[in-house]
Amino acid sequence: EDKVVQSPLSLVVHEGDTVTLNCSYEVTNFRSLLWYKQEKKAPTFLFMLTSSGIEKKSGRLSSILDKKELFSILNITATQTGDSAVYLCAEPSNTGNQFYFGTGTSLTVIP
Amino acid sequence: NAGVTQTPKFQVLKTGQSMTLQCAQDMNHEYMSWYRQDPGMGLRLIHYSVGAGITDQGEVPNGYNVSRSTTEDFPLRLLSAAPSQTSVYFCASSFHRRVQSPLHFGNGTRLTVT
Repeated sequence: EDKVVQSPLSLVVHEGDTVTLNCSYEVTNFRSLLWYKQEKKAPTFLFMLTSSGIEKKSGRLSSILDKKELFSILNITATQTGDSAVYLCAEPSNTGNQFYFGTGTSLTVIP
Repeated sequence: NAGVTQTPKFQVLKTGQSMTLQCAQDMNHEYMSWYRQDPGMGLRLIHYSVGAGITDQGEVPNGYNVSRSTTEDFPLRLLSAAPSQTSVYFCASSFHRRVQSPLHFGNGTRLTVT
């Protein structure tokens, strides 16, 4: 059973559109939820959401955490072609020794 | 800062061959780990280490060995390569004892086993 489930699997939008990516997770002793952007190489860290920080924003990207409903969303406004990537979310295990990743949402932004 | 460095970037092996994927980090991270990434499967944890001399298995450890003799290095050994091990491998590290510490990834090794 998957611990982290992302939706949609893929998304194609035009430049300037706003997109919302979804991540649902399981929780036993919740520690944090992380978002990453993966282009051709390594995943790069975007946000970490915790019990003390349920909203994060950086430029056109923002993310919120709903601990009651066990999901997080990543919003990207005024999308650009450079936003094209796979977006991953991850949850650490209750010991912090393992990170469980979703399969990702592939975002394509068309000029 | 170099961050997390993986070598090689690409490798082709024949079935039955062995090899070692190298990973080094210069951020003094206690925690290091190896993931494989396959289409439709996401990132799956192979092995991890919470400090020098300590290693443990992740979700998909079979066919792989690791050791952690120093804080900086965490090599991954394929003992007898199989086509099912064709994948992209990522090494990642973080400050384990700090709750708010994200994983930092290397650029990956693309391995093909024929």
